[in-house]
Amino acid sequence: AQSVTQLDSHVSVSEGTPVLLRCNYSSSYSPSLFWYVQHPNKGLQLLLKYTSAATLVKGINGFEAEFKKSETSFHLTKPSAHMSDAAEYFCVVSEWSSNTGKLIFGQGTTLQVKP
Amino acid sequence: KAGVTQTPRYLIKTRGQQVTLSCSPISGHRSVSWYQQTPGQGLQFLFEYFSETQRNKGNFPGRFSGRQFSNSRSEMNVSTLELGDSALYLCASRGSGESDQETQYFGPGTRLLVL
Repeated sequence: AQSVTQLDSHVSVSEGTPVLLRCNYSSSYSPSLFWYVQHPNKGLQLLLKYTSAATLVKGINGFEAEFKKSETSFHLTKPSAHMSDAAEYFCVVSEWSSNTGKLIFGQGTTLQVKP
Repeated sequence: KAGVTQTPRYLIKTRGQQVTLSCSPISGHRSVSWYQQTPGQGLQFLFEYFSETQRNKGNFPGRFSGRQFSNSRSEMNVSTLELGDSALYLCASRGSGESDQETQYFGPGTRLLVL
């Protein structure tokens, strides 16, 4: 079975400093991985996805993630945090077979951005 | 393209009642999935519908049911509501193109409060 583990439940950074949100995955085959962001009282917005193409994936709003098979990791980074980045971030793996599937979510990381 | 829409956005019910939530997918998307988000359990998959057929089901009791119409709109029903059903219910749709078939796009959610 697929699973993801987000290593930090809460991360706090200062505005303008780098962001690192860590995610490890478990999968019996080459997975499709995603990062979603959820702002307060909103739905989930897709930040980026990895589907076995380039291992460094660029997403929206300056975020990127690197797929490292040897470390089973898919960490999310951003060079410089902005106040509007404060939100909850979910690392997600897709469990897919026979043209149907579901998303399996990590427990989420709350990103706090201090002025 | 318009995104995924969900109605109503907020709902208050009492124990024992039933509730129906509605979801309209992105135009052209034929798959609709439902997820439940609670502080304790996080985001959990409920079920997926494709072309009016349930393709996949999560580990929820039979009180949770759904259906999909010929225009791909979907409804989710919860009967005999319990306090623990209070949650944010998220609907997601996905396309069927090979490059995008595992990517799900989420609506804003329906927040259900059971008293």
